[in-house]
Amino acid sequence: DTEVTQTPKHLVMGMTNKKSLKCEQHMGHRAMYWYKQKAKKPPELMFVYSYEKLSINESVPSRFSPECPNSSLLNLHLHALQPEDSALYLCASSQAGTGADTQYFGPGTRLTVL
Amino acid sequence: AQKVTQAQTEISVVEKEDVTLDCVYETRDTTYYLFWYKQPPSGELVFLIRRNSFDEQNEISGRYSWNFQKSTSSFNFTITASQVVDSAVYFCALSPIIQGAQKLVFGQGTRLTINP
Repeated sequence: DTEVTQTPKHLVMGMTNKKSLKCEQHMGHRAMYWYKQKAKKPPELMFVYSYEKLSINESVPSRFSPECPNSSLLNLHLHALQPEDSALYLCASSQAGTGADTQYFGPGTRLTVL
Repeated sequence: AQKVTQAQTEISVVEKEDVTLDCVYETRDTTYYLFWYKQPPSGELVFLIRRNSFDEQNEISGRYSWNFQKSTSSFNFTITASQVVDSAVYFCALSPIIQGAQKLVFGQGTRLTINP
C-alpha cells in the first residue's frame, strides 16, 4: 500500500482566515514533506520532517506553519495568506528522508485564497 | 549545482504512436538517484521509476521503458503504443545524496497529450 491521503481536497479561504491542511500515511515512513505547486510549474519543496523533527524549511513565510504530531500525520497551518498563495499543496512521504528514498505523493489540496 | 532539463514543454501525438520524453541532468555528484513521476489532471504525482547512478541498465515495464545514459547525462522515457490514459504531465527528478534529507530537483515537466 503506497497511499498518502490529504484533506481537504479543495479549500477556499479569505486572507484573515485560519485553516489547516492534513496529510496522513500508514506506510511506516519516517519522513514527510510539504510541497507547493503553481499551475504549469514543478512542485516546490516547502518543509521536510524526518523522524518527527523539522529538518528542512525552505525559507517559507511564517504564515505557513507545519506540524508533525506523530510519524503518520503532517499538518500545515495557514494564517493570513495572500492571494498568491493559491496553489496545489502536495504532501509526500518516504522511508527515512535520505537521498536514496522514493517519495510517494498524496492527491493534494487545491487552495484558493480570496 | 544540480539541474534537470526537460526541453519538451508539450508533446501531442495520436493514440498508438510511440513517444519519447527527454530528460537531461547536471550534477557533480558521483552517487545520485533519478526519478520519473506522472501527474494526471487529478493532481497526484504518481511514482514511475527510480534509478541509481551506478545502474545503467535500461528498464522496461509494460509499455514504458527508460534509457539511462550516464555518458550523456540523460534519462529518457519512452511510451510505446501510447493510449489516451497516458495523457499527463511527466516530471523527471534528480535526488542528490544529502545526509539526513532528500531534496528532489525537478525538471519543468513535459505535458503529454494523447489524441484519440
